[in-house]
Amino acid sequence: GDSVTQMEGPVTLSEEAFLTINCTYTATGYPSLFWYVQYPGEGLQLLLKATKADDKGSNKGFEATYRKETTSFHLEKGSVQVSDSAVYFCALRPGAGSYQLTFGKGTKLSVIP
Amino acid sequence: NAGVTQTPKFRVLKTGQSMTLLCAQDMNHEYMYWYRQDPGMGLRLIHYSVGEGTTAKGEVPDGYNVSRLKKQNFLLGLESAAPSQTSVYFCASTRLAVNNEQFFGPGTRLTVL
Repeated sequence: GDSVTQMEGPVTLSEEAFLTINCTYTATGYPSLFWYVQYPGEGLQLLLKATKADDKGSNKGFEATYRKETTSFHLEKGSVQVSDSAVYFCALRPGAGSYQLTFGKGTKLSVIP
Repeated sequence: NAGVTQTPKFRVLKTGQSMTLLCAQDMNHEYMYWYRQDPGMGLRLIHYSVGEGTTAKGEVPDGYNVSRLKKQNFLLGLESAAPSQTSVYFCASTRLAVNNEQFFGPGTRLTVL
């Protein structure tokens, strides 16, 4: 079945450091890929998405590129802020006709001043 | 718009007690979902609904029942709570369209003693 594997945390970075959170997936067909963010005490919010190979999703300085050849969707940000401290989830939705998401286990990011 | 709301925010139950969690959305979404979030496990789908009057099992349905009598509401029931059901429960909804995101509620933290 479909699955998502993301790097285990927690990840602790200093403010203005470069962030990479790795995400790889296993799926048949042509899935859509998502990154969700969960701030402390809140529900999940969509951070960015990509719906086909080579698409780049971006939002709030975060980027991720859909790489079909390596089945990856790594999240990056050039300069993190304390306000980016949260749990980040990679997720996939199988091809057309499916409305279910499969989530990775989440990566907790802490950014220290 | 309130988006997705969940009631209650917190609840403590004793083993064997029953309760119902309410999810409501005001976005006229067709699909609704119930997830549970446990440390190190990511989000796991319990049940979902593709429309009023229809429900289906997800990855971890045992011990839960659901109902969707109105399009805007999705109820999750625990008939006889067990300590293994201690978790944070999230409701989500999405519109019936390709590549649409899921919108999440703020969560319900349930403790079963």
